[in-house]
Amino acid sequence: QVQVVESGGGVVQPGGSLRLSCETSGFTFSNHGMHWVRQAPGKGLEWVAYIRPDGSNKYYADSVKGRFTISRDSSKNTLYLQMSSLRAEDTAVYYCAKGTSYAFDIWGQGTMVTVSS
Amino acid sequence: QTVVTQEPSFSVSPGGTVTLTCGLSSGSVSGSYYPSWYQQTPGQAPRTLIYSTNSRSSGVPDRFSGSILGNKAALTITGAQADDECDYYCVLYMGSGIWVFGGGTKLAVL
Repeated sequence: QVQVVESGGGVVQPGGSLRLSCETSGFTFSNHGMHWVRQAPGKGLEWVAYIRPDGSNKYYADSVKGRFTISRDSSKNTLYLQMSSLRAEDTAVYYCAKGTSYAFDIWGQGTMVTVSS
Repeated sequence: QTVVTQEPSFSVSPGGTVTLTCGLSSGSVSGSYYPSWYQQTPGQAPRTLIYSTNSRSSGVPDRFSGSILGNKAALTITGAQADDECDYYCVLYMGSGIWVFGGGTKLAVL
């Protein structure tokens, strides 16, 4: 069964850091680009970052560029999102999604990140 | 900055047909933007419906179809059912590894 499971969310103070993980199974991880997408409470979906299958290129939304880093470990079939200099407006559910044909294929259930003092 | 536009809300009668659209604040949507569509019920993860304009994701009933209508991408739902009442999001691939979501459409079935 194709599956992605996020973890690592929690409460962090403004200016702090947090690392999210996304464990994958049921597909060949190294063959697929992977995304992070977030959703602030009561708001719509926002694409955050994308990493190519081999990890050679990484892309970010302007809202997180320079603060967030996407990475992957093919030996662990796991995707990561390192978040630093966190702001209140980064408060959201963060979803990991498998990429396919310029779209998002399999979604996890998400992990909640709350930035608050 | 390019904005992806969607109707904030729409309503359809049970059994009816509705077409939701996805446009650009500047310019026209074509297949080169690889439009995709997602369904989301409150508190749940999104579900992929359509990718690459008109390809249906695995397990999605053929009541859902995608197309380009004029200068916008479109999602058409035929035979609307009560559990179609939820939020629908489109995404466009802007090139250079960048994707942009529309603001979403809240669909009511009544």
